[in-house]
Amino acid sequence: AQSVTQPDIHITVSEGASLELRCNYSYGATPYLFWYVQSPGQGLQLLLKYFSGDTLVQGIKGFEAEFKRSQSSFNLRKPSVHWSDAAEYFCAVGAMSEYGNKLVFGAGTILRVKS
Amino acid sequence: GAVVSQHPSWVICKSGTSVKIECRSLDFQATTMFWYRQFPKQSLMLMATSNEGSKATYEQGVEKDKFLINHASLTLSTLTVTSAHPEDSSFYICSARRTGTSYEQYFGPGTRLTVT
Repeated sequence: AQSVTQPDIHITVSEGASLELRCNYSYGATPYLFWYVQSPGQGLQLLLKYFSGDTLVQGIKGFEAEFKRSQSSFNLRKPSVHWSDAAEYFCAVGAMSEYGNKLVFGAGTILRVKS
Repeated sequence: GAVVSQHPSWVICKSGTSVKIECRSLDFQATTMFWYRQFPKQSLMLMATSNEGSKATYEQGVEKDKFLINHASLTLSTLTVTSAHPEDSSFYICSARRTGTSYEQYFGPGTRLTVT
């Protein structure tokens, strides 16, 4: 079965510092991978996605992610974090099921930004 | 583009009553919509997949008679929590997949349900 692991439940970084959020997936075929961000009490906003092609994907708000098939990873990065980036981040993999395509989410990583 | 709305954003109801939550894709057609439940500090749990014009498919462990889903048009899906109990209190989030696409989902802002 498809699964997504986000090893870090919480991460705290200083404003202006670089950020890397880890994501590992388990999926037999070529994965469709996503990163979403959720602010408190809000829905999810898509940051970026990987379907195929260039393994380094650029997203909104200055985020990027790199797909590494050999490591089954899709880590999210940002060179300089802003206080407004504090939120929860979810990695997801697109999975086929008997009922159609769906997303399988990781447990999420809460990002705290200290000034 | 690709905006999804939910109504209401929050609702309080008494135990034993039913409550309906609407999910609308405002600027695109969505053959498929999804309903998730999110407990505090936890990830999203897929409850069911809603397909326009057909019955919803429910994930294992989700009571279809308790969580009624209707997808009457290409822009509207509704989730009705019947005979609500305090344990149904949660954050319910819908998403919509643009017709013709495979995986990418656009999420609504969520509905906070509190059952007293």
